[in-house]
Amino acid sequence: NAGVTQTPKFQVLKTGQSMTLQCAQDMNHEYMSWYRQDPGMGLRLIHYSVGAGITDQGEVPNGYNVSRSTTEDFPLRLLSAAPSQTSVYFCASSYERHNYGYTFGSGTRLTVV
Amino acid sequence: QQPVQSPQAVILREGEDAVINCSSSKALYSVHWYRQKHGEAPVFLMILLKGGEQKGHEKISASFNEKKQQSSLYLTASQLSYSGTYFCGTEGGGADGLTFGKGTHLIIQP
Repeated sequence: NAGVTQTPKFQVLKTGQSMTLQCAQDMNHEYMSWYRQDPGMGLRLIHYSVGAGITDQGEVPNGYNVSRSTTEDFPLRLLSAAPSQTSVYFCASSYERHNYGYTFGSGTRLTVV
Repeated sequence: QQPVQSPQAVILREGEDAVINCSSSKALYSVHWYRQKHGEAPVFLMILLKGGEQKGHEKISASFNEKKQQSSLYLTASQLSYSGTYFCGTEGGGADGLTFGKGTHLIIQP
């Protein structure tokens, strides 16, 4: 039982490049979400999904896309990286949207130069 | 809207007690509490649901005042391992996701 697995752990991108951050969970959780964490800002919600085939925007969705083709996987795509997207990204999952705590992945530290 | 946490930081001696507060401007369905150590992922501590009772986890407990839209986390007889940043997360029970506060930095000294 690996929990929530994120890859890669570190990434450096040039401005304008695109990439996908991977997130997979093996707990059969229906709810998955992506957060970014910046110093002094706490965790801000980017996108979330309540189940396979269903996604929605969070607080800071611009510049990011998501899809949920399976219950296990929830990748986050950066379309055209900008320095403002330099951050630590966390994927989190839960049994369902409400009533249960979240399990976080170990994070991806992204630097855009 | 982002909940407001207080204090922003607190330094304690081992064995002392601490209270961390979380306040929201909107009606709440639940409040989550997480602890994050430097360079690591946040770890779930507990969830308090609307209409639920105060919860406890070893020497860490929390309360939820629905009318005031506030929650407090209580750390009793703090241990060195309690050091880290504590985040509250709030949700209204609707379509919105969990919104986190900016965190409270807790330092426990021997």
